[in-house]
Amino acid sequence: GAVVSQHPSRVICKSGTSVKIECRSLDFQATTMFWYRQFPKQSLMLMATSNEGSKATYEQGVEKDKFLINHASLTLSTLTVTSAHPEDSSFYICSASGPGGNFKETQYFGPGTRLLVL
Amino acid sequence: AQKVTQAQTEISVVEKEDVTLDCVYETRDTTYYLFWYKQPPSGELVFLIRRNSFDEQNEISGRYSWNFQKSTSSFNFTITASQVVDSAVYFCALSESHSNAGNNRKLIWGLGTSLAVNP
Repeated sequence: GAVVSQHPSRVICKSGTSVKIECRSLDFQATTMFWYRQFPKQSLMLMATSNEGSKATYEQGVEKDKFLINHASLTLSTLTVTSAHPEDSSFYICSASGPGGNFKETQYFGPGTRLLVL
Repeated sequence: AQKVTQAQTEISVVEKEDVTLDCVYETRDTTYYLFWYKQPPSGELVFLIRRNSFDEQNEISGRYSWNFQKSTSSFNFTITASQVVDSAVYFCALSESHSNAGNNRKLIWGLGTSLAVNP
């Protein structure tokens, strides 16, 4: 149990385009999903927290209009990087937590998406 | 303020050696969770363990063991008879204080310890 998928695993895009990343919990209901960004050899930086059916809560310094997060169902959250620029190139990782048991208070992670903006 | 400190940035061992990764945390909460995650070169974070603040029993899972001591605010992780496949970055994390009742909490992350196990 506790499998989280993320798609795509890698994406290369041109500057100015938008990129959508999907995060799915495959075998549990994800009442909360988290989106992180990680730079090489650094720790995880939380971008936003989303609870199913609610607007995402963004961390200080993260642009809401640039990083659009949607958590429309208990198994799917999406992160859209709008008008991507080279400085948005990074490793983006999602995680999911559920409503109870082993899924409560524990984040299970997707495999991550490597974004390269040219 | 809540904080997680992993003082060891990089550790290098030879296969079959035992290695301990340190984690020290700060919190004023009485109820909290501590975690260890493994991040191999592929990038995916693998959940290893969750420990509730009320449960100070040490845990053993195969070659992995964890020592939780509230008196010293530490949650150390030991790998016995290390293998090359153990090479990864290991993160310790602490659950943030409850901000929204019923919702899952954010995690406070350490900076990670990069473990290299050499043949």
